[in-house]
Amino acid sequence: AQKVTQAQTEISVVEKEDVTLDCVYETRDTTYYLFWYKQPPSGELVFLIRRNSFDEQNEISGRYSWNFQKSTSSFNFTITASQVVDSAVYFCALRPNSGYSTLTFGKGTMLLVSP
Amino acid sequence: DAGVTQSPTHLIKTRGQHVTLRCSPISGHKSVSWYQQVLGQGPQFIFQYYEKEERGRGNFPDRFSARQFPNYSSELNVNALLLGDSALYLCASSPDRGNPTYNEQFFGPGTRLTVL
Repeated sequence: AQKVTQAQTEISVVEKEDVTLDCVYETRDTTYYLFWYKQPPSGELVFLIRRNSFDEQNEISGRYSWNFQKSTSSFNFTITASQVVDSAVYFCALRPNSGYSTLTFGKGTMLLVSP
Repeated sequence: DAGVTQSPTHLIKTRGQHVTLRCSPISGHKSVSWYQQVLGQGPQFIFQYYEKEERGRGNFPDRFSARQFPNYSSELNVNALLLGDSALYLCASSPDRGNPTYNEQFFGPGTRLTVL
């Protein structure tokens, strides 16, 4: 069975602050993919980043960066210099490395960025 | 190119009724998945279809059923609606070309179902 845990239910920051969203996962698969999605109030899930389990190199993409540590089963996501438009619910998700593309989501973290 | 489309956007039903939700995938995508998102929770997997065949099913009762048509569009049906079925129902499509790298899921805007 797969499980994704996002312990932070809600985070509030002031614009321009950096914020890190935590994600811990459980899986028996030896290879898998990890994702972060953003869900604004409109409801549509927007894909942000993807990382495969056999590549632990951490990267930066614009204001987004992520820290993948297989040893601790964590996949944390950081937004640098947050903006009001970043306010949304963020979901971490896990998918096995097979032909099927089913995602297992965490419960989400609501991020509120105030001016 | 058009993204994943879903209809209707909102729906209000009463307990015991039946509902049909519709999804059109991105052009060229052959796989459609359905998710249920209850308020305050993450999406939960319901079904996945590929080439009109069911490839996966989540932990949902038999009241939930789905099908995929030759044009790869899909319907989700829920019978004997319960109050607990109130949720945002999300549809996602993916190309499923056999290489997991290409199995990215792209989500539609969802259908918000309210059961009274």
